[in-house]
Amino acid sequence: QVQLVESGGGVVQPGRSLRLSCAASGFTFSSYGMHWVRQAPGKGLEWVAVISHDGSNKYYADSVKGRFTISRDNSKNTLYMQMYSLRAEDTAVYYCAKDLEAVAGPFDYWGQGTLVTVSS
Amino acid sequence: SYELTQPPSVSVSPGQTASITCSGDKLGHKYACWYQQKPGQSPVLVIYQDTKRPSGIPERFSGSSSGNTATLTISGTQAMDESDYFCQAWDSSTVVFGGGTKLTVL
Repeated sequence: QVQLVESGGGVVQPGRSLRLSCAASGFTFSSYGMHWVRQAPGKGLEWVAVISHDGSNKYYADSVKGRFTISRDNSKNTLYMQMYSLRAEDTAVYYCAKDLEAVAGPFDYWGQGTLVTVSS
Repeated sequence: SYELTQPPSVSVSPGQTASITCSGDKLGHKYACWYQQKPGQSPVLVIYQDTKRPSGIPERFSGSSSGNTATLTISGTQAMDESDYFCQAWDSSTVVFGGGTKLTVL
């Protein structure tokens, strides 16, 4: 069965960096686009970024463009999000999600999420 | 930037039909999908490509789309359907989510 397991969350000071990982299993990882979606405490869903199946295309939300970098290692079935210059407003549960096909969604599988708290 | 607008809350009596709308400019020209999220859990896809239901989703969930509005309909609503629901679409190389609708079954 499909499994997406995020890791790397934690408490980080404003301005610092953090790298999230998402280990995928149960499907052919290299065939699908993958997304990061976040949810601030008590708030709605906010899409963060997507990467195409082969890593050739990447798209970002304006709120993270220039600060976050999405990447993948198809040999390790792992998705990454490198986050720089973190701000208090980046505090959220970060989910990785599998695209049903390419990069436009929908997301047919989600991980359990990893909490990132940006605080001094 | 593109926006999707949902009502913050919808209430329905058990066994009745609940309708949740999602509005956006020319949304009917794009594919919309819907997610259900219960407290403390990850979202679950319940409708995609406007009207399609993933395997394992009960038949009481259905979707439609026309003009500027996509609609999620839950027929014979059950207590277990009480959740937050989010619509989603793709526009200009970005994924857009609606603000979410809290469905209360009372």
